[in-house]
Amino acid sequence: DTGVSQDPRHKITKRGQNVTFRCDPISEHNRLYWYRQTLGQGPEFLTYFQNEAQLEKSRLLSDRFSAERPKGSFSTLEIQRTEQGDSAMYLCASSFGWEGNEQFFGPGTRLTVL
Amino acid sequence: SQKIEQNSEALNIQEGKTATLTCNYTNYSPAYLQWYRQDPGRGPVFLLLIRENEKEKRKERLKVTFDTTLKQSLFHITASQPADSATYLCAPLYNFNKFYFGSGTKLNVKP
Repeated sequence: DTGVSQDPRHKITKRGQNVTFRCDPISEHNRLYWYRQTLGQGPEFLTYFQNEAQLEKSRLLSDRFSAERPKGSFSTLEIQRTEQGDSAMYLCASSFGWEGNEQFFGPGTRLTVL
Repeated sequence: SQKIEQNSEALNIQEGKTATLTCNYTNYSPAYLQWYRQDPGRGPVFLLLIRENEKEKRKERLKVTFDTTLKQSLFHITASQPADSATYLCAPLYNFNKFYFGSGTKLNVKP
């Protein structure tokens, strides 16, 4: 496998439930990003990891959102007490080296909150 | 905060013509600007990167320009093909590690 993978691809949940998504980046990539994308919009930055350190977090990210990247490999994004407004595609991307290098995106996890 | 503007209306062109997509930004110029292609239901795919001190970058049928005076980047696809039909996103990089993506322009190339 040479690409970024995300799991699950689709998630349907009821409002108020917690959900967790997983991202497996390309193995040698030290940078990992999470984005959220809604229909007709571009990806919206959520957070960034360099290795295991979370170096950047969007002010748009409420306290209900948390992300981890233990050991600098895979990453998880958890949303607590989901709201209907959280319904979106959640994209993970990874890159290697300097900050301007191309990002490799995964297929995304589509979240639907009922 | 930075505002990235791409034409929200779809661009419809005939096969073989040159497609030109626009990305405008406000405030100060980014250090780098990337262009991505996104197909429905899939993650974006990187196409080109241009630096603040570069005026133009080319890759095969693709060309990107960067005008810091106009605060604008143009993305050109020459000899367009129906397979080029997709949404194209610009993504300037401002502070250290945060990319701001535009909302994208949908390109339709008709045979």
